[in-house]
Amino acid sequence: GAVVSQHPSWVICKSGTSVKIECRSLDFQATTMFWYRQFPKQSLMLMATSNEGSKATYEQGVEKDKFLINHASLTLSTLTVTSAHPEDSSFYICSARTGTGILGYTFGSGTRLTVV
Amino acid sequence: AQSVTQPDIHITVSEGASLELRCNYSYGATPYLFWYVQSPGQGLQLLLKYFSGDTLVQGIKGFEAEFKRSQSSFNLRKPSVHWSDAAEYFCAVHSGNTPLVFGKGTRLSVIA
Repeated sequence: GAVVSQHPSWVICKSGTSVKIECRSLDFQATTMFWYRQFPKQSLMLMATSNEGSKATYEQGVEKDKFLINHASLTLSTLTVTSAHPEDSSFYICSARTGTGILGYTFGSGTRLTVV
Repeated sequence: AQSVTQPDIHITVSEGASLELRCNYSYGATPYLFWYVQSPGQGLQLLLKYFSGDTLVQGIKGFEAEFKRSQSSFNLRKPSVHWSDAAEYFCAVHSGNTPLVFGKGTRLSVIA
């Protein structure tokens, strides 16, 4: 079945540095990927929709310059948290639409980011 | 705008007991409905989904859900809960090309 690999699983970084999270579709092409953020014991909040070969679409309230999304190929989308601060610490999850229309979504295993 | 409500933040059941997790949605047309499970520190695993047809949907791990249009509900059920079912459960909805919208989740605890 469709598998999405997300890397790294966890990362600790210092304030002010940047962190890149990768999301790869292993056995299918994903023209559209989604990035979610999840605070402890809360639901997933959509941050942005990543479209291959075009600019990402960000949800209201998400800083485009802080959360850089690149979707340069049909199998890879990256989220870069720039100039990270402790309040950026969270669980980030990517998702890819499998097939077209309503055939479903597959999620990565998530990345736990801790900014110290 | 479409929305998903999971009224129960936390539910505790005894192992072997039956389970029902509630989910209500708000949308003008019939949405596409999903239930996901998340173990601590992990990603999401799809339990089941409803697009059309039979309103009773069977999923993995012995779960099922019933779509009730009149009640705008898509409740998740399991006749006999196992300790390994303890996790966070999310109901989600989308339509067309929109991204998934998630409920706030229900945390399931299982006691011996």
